[in-house]
Amino acid sequence: NAGVTQTPKFRVLKTGQSMTLLCAQDMNHEYMYWYRQDPGMGLRLIHYSVGEGTTAKGEVPDGYNVSRLKKQNFLLGLESAAPSQTSVYFCASSTGTAWGYFGPGTRLTVT
Amino acid sequence: DQQVKQNSPSLSVQEGRISILNCDYTNSMFDYFLWYKKYPAEGPTFLISISSIKDKNEDGRFTVFLNKSAKHLSLHIVPSQPGDSAVYFCAASLMNTGNQFYFGTGTSLTVIP
Repeated sequence: NAGVTQTPKFRVLKTGQSMTLLCAQDMNHEYMYWYRQDPGMGLRLIHYSVGEGTTAKGEVPDGYNVSRLKKQNFLLGLESAAPSQTSVYFCASSTGTAWGYFGPGTRLTVT
Repeated sequence: DQQVKQNSPSLSVQEGRISILNCDYTNSMFDYFLWYKKYPAEGPTFLISISSIKDKNEDGRFTVFLNKSAKHLSLHIVPSQPGDSAVYFCAASLMNTGNQFYFGTGTSLTVIP
């Protein structure tokens, strides 16, 4: 079992570029989440999904889009990256009735 | 506005002593609480949880206490070990809202050998 994996681990973007972060889980979890972690801010929920084909906004959704075409994958997209999106991004999955498993994180820098 | 707060950014404790990490929340409807532990360059890992119907949950050296009237929870680690040095996040959720967790800002614990 790989658990929750994230691709890529690191990325540097220029302002205005786009990219997609991939999260994959092999635990057959229904729920998946994208969080960002910033100094002094803790972890903040960007978007989440309660099942294949469904997505919903979290606390800080602006500037991001997501898709859950397959149950095991949850994609986070940045259409036009901004320096304010420099952060560490964590994906998580859960059964929906208990705590979540987190991936190792993606460190994104936007210059 | 931060719904879950950890007011101590850092804590240092001698090995073998008790570590007490605190967490306050504002939403009285939260019904499930967690503590996560995070090492540098890794994702958070689950440590211990407590439901709002309980006021204490124990797992080995880790005990979480919940005081609903004060909207306060705490994590006790006894005895503290150097390997416990990490950032600890508390989190709270409403179980009927898709299991969304609201996280505190974290407390960095250093256990001094």
